[in-house]
Amino acid sequence: DGGITQSPKYLFRKEGQNVTLSCEQNLNHDAMYWYRQDPGQGLRLIYYSQIVNDFQKGDIAEGYSVSREKKESFPLTVTSAQKNPTAFYLCASSIARTDYGYTFGSGTRLTVV
Amino acid sequence: DAKTTQPPSMDCAEGRAANLPCNHSTISGNEYVYWYRQIHSQGPQYIIHGLKNNETNEMASLIITEDRKSSTLILPHATLRDTAVYYCIVRAYNAGNMLTFGGGTRLMVKP
Repeated sequence: DGGITQSPKYLFRKEGQNVTLSCEQNLNHDAMYWYRQDPGQGLRLIYYSQIVNDFQKGDIAEGYSVSREKKESFPLTVTSAQKNPTAFYLCASSIARTDYGYTFGSGTRLTVV
Repeated sequence: DAKTTQPPSMDCAEGRAANLPCNHSTISGNEYVYWYRQIHSQGPQYIIHGLKNNETNEMASLIITEDRKSSTLILPHATLRDTAVYYCIVRAYNAGNMLTFGGGTRLMVKP
């Protein structure tokens, strides 16, 4: 079955450490996105990529970095520069430039202690 | 993207229709209305979208007013598993494909 996979589901890290969240899709979607969600809040866009080797900052990119070396993969690195990294992180993909909706992964809950 | 306004929460009795409203008074002619829902601690799930005609699929119906300034998502026979946060989003299909999620409506389906 086609889908989008995020791993791990839960992640704990010490303050000051960088951590990379995985996102893989086998839907042959062109575009991929990373969102952050805080408790009781909506989703905020961190980064997005419409094609391989290209990505753009979203609304809250500071303290995060991404890469898009393959169409299927869009890993997100939460760096030590991110002031409040504890959150629920969601990856999504879509066919670019159409009215099709997004397919979301099941999310990674990151806790920094 | 046009801003949307949704009530923060709603209740619905199991088996009854759930009607979730959304105001989008500044919507542009090329912007679609999308609905997603998010069950606790999961990724959002696409429900339905439309431009100006009413739409129906196996999950729900979408009613868009003639002036397109508001819409209603209808779950015809709500079940306990429909308890979730429902997001209404408006977006032009060529607007970088970015979706902006607001606070949504927390729907509680009660037995």
